[in-house]
Amino acid sequence: GAGVSQSPRYKVAKRGQDVALRCDPISGHVSLFWYQQALGQGPEFLTYFQNEAQLDKSGLPSDRFFAERPEGSVSTLKIQRTQQEDSAVYLCASSFEGSGPQHFGDGTRLSIL
Amino acid sequence: DQQVKQNSPSLSVQEGRISILNCDYTNSMFDYFLWYKKYPAEGPTFLISISSIKDKNEDGRFTVFLNKSAKHLSLHIVPSQPGDSAVYFCAASARWFGNEKLTFGTGTRLTIIP
Repeated sequence: GAGVSQSPRYKVAKRGQDVALRCDPISGHVSLFWYQQALGQGPEFLTYFQNEAQLDKSGLPSDRFFAERPEGSVSTLKIQRTQQEDSAVYLCASSFEGSGPQHFGDGTRLSIL
Repeated sequence: DQQVKQNSPSLSVQEGRISILNCDYTNSMFDYFLWYKKYPAEGPTFLISISSIKDKNEDGRFTVFLNKSAKHLSLHIVPSQPGDSAVYFCAASARWFGNEKLTFGTGTRLTIIP
């Protein structure tokens, strides 16, 4: 597709379960970002990949959060032992390195019961 | 510590008039600024950006103004149209935005009244 694709669009999980969120960036985009958006707030940075290398993970809130991009294309954000405060929209963005703005997907809305 | 602030949670403007959205920042390291528009259940869509070496950038109905000494930027939409009704986010980064994380404000909900 032409844009950033995220799946699933909605995910409901019970507290303590593990979840995996997928991001398929725009073809050819080297840079990939994950953001977390809580209700009524702006997106907050989680982590950044350049190709398969995770260059910045300073925004990950705890060691329960893990992201990977093994082949430099699709990325997965995994949250282990989910807690209620993990409920948010998780946004993925990609950009062509060195030029152009970040393009966002429509996000995954995660609800932890 | 909110480094990018949008102090107006909402704004209503008559169709055809000018909409002015404001944004303030505190981090002197920010060099590039962007505006994103967001419709419900969709991701943010890039609108317009400005580098700190400029004080104005224009793209059609959208103009962004930057006052670096005041650490303030604004987005002007002229004329406002019903399709402009959305949440607008101001964002900033420390260098060229291709591979630098963005810091966002909390957004301003713009409603255009027909």
